[in-house]
Amino acid sequence: EIVLTQSPGTLSLSPGERATLSCRASQTINNNYLAWYQQKPGQAPRLLIHDASSRAAGIPDRFSGSGSGRDFILTISRLEPEDFAVYYCQQYGGSPMYTFGQGTKLEIK
Amino acid sequence: EVQLVESGGGLVQPGGSLRLSCAASGFTVSTNYMSWVRQAPGKGLQWVSTIFSGGGTYHADSVKGRFTIYRDNSKNMLYLQMNSLRAEDTAVYYCALMVRGIMFDYWGQGTLVTVSS
Repeated sequence: EIVLTQSPGTLSLSPGERATLSCRASQTINNNYLAWYQQKPGQAPRLLIHDASSRAAGIPDRFSGSGSGRDFILTISRLEPEDFAVYYCQQYGGSPMYTFGQGTKLEIK
Repeated sequence: EVQLVESGGGLVQPGGSLRLSCAASGFTVSTNYMSWVRQAPGKGLQWVSTIFSGGGTYHADSVKGRFTIYRDNSKNMLYLQMNSLRAEDTAVYYCALMVRGIMFDYWGQGTLVTVSS
């Protein structure tokens, strides 16, 4: 079973700062099939990044993804007020077929 | 424009059954990968079930044998039949479109299922 571990659990930053969120897999993720989502309270998740580093349609370029193998990073270059939310990583191809990390809460400092 | 609208959630007793529906518009359910993902109150996301464009279905171990995902091509609808419900199945259930079967591209607003006596 592939387990995704996100760190930190909570990240406290101010608008304008840079955010770096980590997602580590217990096994290599084939083809870098790793995605990132943003979820705000009371809303459905929204796809941000797919295939580790490709932005989904309509996602601002301050969001970027990187990494390969077991270690992946989501970077938000300059935080906007609307970026404070919970972020999840997700993998495809392991067992079970799809798994999510436990989430990182990005809160305003 | 892609739209997904879930319905069918509610309060059900342990051991009971419920059927969730997802009305799709802006695309064709039968030619895409579709999934259900759930989120227990205050918790993270958990994949539940997926139906591939070719009709193959896959379920998480926690729901295998109890839940069934299926679609009605004539109505452009996705369903999740949930039997033998347990308290731990309490969650918001989201319907999701997966264009490539790799990530969850579009999500509905979710429907709440509460399993309690």
